Amino acid sequence: GNSVTQMEGPVTLSEEAFLTINCTYTATGYPSLFWYVQYPGEGLQLLLKATKADDKGSNKGFEATYRKETTSFHLEKGSVQVSDSAVYFCALSAGGTSYGKLTFGQGTILTVHP
Amino acid sequence: DAGVIQSPRHEVTEMGQEVTLRCKPISGHDYLFWYRQTMMRGLELLIYFNNNVPIDDSGMPEDRFSAKMPNASFSTLKIQPSEPRDSAVYFCASSPRGSLTYEQYFGPGTRLTVT
Repeated sequence: GNSVTQMEGPVTLSEEAFLTINCTYTATGYPSLFWYVQYPGEGLQLLLKATKADDKGSNKGFEATYRKETTSFHLEKGSVQVSDSAVYFCALSAGGTSYGKLTFGQGTILTVHP
Repeated sequence: DAGVIQSPRHEVTEMGQEVTLRCKPISGHDYLFWYRQTMMRGLELLIYFNNNVPIDDSGMPEDRFSAKMPNASFSTLKIQPSEPRDSAVYFCASSPRGSLTYEQYFGPGTRLTVT
């Protein structure tokens, strides 16, 4: 079946540090890949997405590239801010019996200190 | 658009009581999802609908849980009777008609506490 594995957290960084959150996946066919962010007390928000191999999704300074050869979709940001503190979820959607569903990773807690 | 609307935002109830959570999806979206989030179990998909029809309810924990979608603009998740282990944040999400990538848009959640 489909699965998503994220790096263990929590991740703690100082402001302006470089961020990488690793995400690898297992899926049949050609899934679409997503990063969602959840700020404290809120629902998940779509951060970025990529729909085919070598696509790069980007938003708010965050980027992730769909790497089919390594089945990865790592999230990066060059300079984090305190306001980026949140939980980040990697997810995929695939067809077949999973039509319409998203498979989420377990989430990675990011804390950014001033 | 107002986004996905959930009510109530907070619910505190006693064990054994019936609880009803409500969701209004984004207009034009034809998929609707109910999730539960806890520290211990993370984010769990409970059930989802397509065009008001339940497609997969394999995540519903037990018969105490039920969900309905009487029309395209309203869904309910009911717990009867409620138990303390049902305490969690419940999210509703919807997905656009004709979307090729199935990105989902989440509501703000209902925080349920069962004492």
